[in-house]
Amino acid sequence: KNQVEQSPQSLIILEGKNCTLQCNYTVSPFSNLRWYKQDTGRGPVSLTIMTFSENTKSNGRYTATLDADTKQSSLHITASQLSDSASYICVVSANTDKLIFGTGTRLQVFP
Amino acid sequence: EAGVTQFPSHSVIEKGQTVTLRCDPISGHDNLYWYRRVMGKEIKFLLHFVKESKQDESGMPNNRFLAERTGGTYSTLKVQPAELEDSGVYFCASSPGLAGFQETQYFGPGTRLLVL
Repeated sequence: KNQVEQSPQSLIILEGKNCTLQCNYTVSPFSNLRWYKQDTGRGPVSLTIMTFSENTKSNGRYTATLDADTKQSSLHITASQLSDSASYICVVSANTDKLIFGTGTRLQVFP
Repeated sequence: EAGVTQFPSHSVIEKGQTVTLRCDPISGHDNLYWYRRVMGKEIKFLLHFVKESKQDESGMPNNRFLAERTGGTYSTLKVQPAELEDSGVYFCASSPGLAGFQETQYFGPGTRLLVL
């Protein structure tokens, strides 16, 4: 069964600190992995997309890594800001346009 | 450039009633997707249009759900009759249709549906 699992479920950090979110997937065949940010009351916004051959991709303070052998990905946030408070969703595509979503990690950044 | 828009933002209806959700994709985007998140669960795929044709409707839960995209522009998702378990947030997304599976899908803000 195609599945995407994320950890932790929720995370609280202080402003300026770094954090890393984890994603494990059992999706086959694998096409690409995406990280989305979803603010409360809004739709998800794409942060990164990585294909099988890519093992890291950055978007500003966000850096995603992918290990296609172990089927794991991480999203590292550097020097967190209050505006980083959101849910971060790992999404995997299996050679179709149909996306498979994780349940997300809810991040709260406090001053 | 306007993003994906959805209407209404919220809808509260009684069990057995009909509700129609609307999605306006980004202008020029051939691909249009509907997704749903029910309480406490992950977002799940419902269906995918390429222009006015249904490319994949494998995620539609049952025949109470009807999606249309006449003319290949905006899309509607009708739920008739609504049941309690249909409550959730319905998202629409669109993508240009030029780069295959690697394309970014742009999401709308969602419609929050509550069936009482």
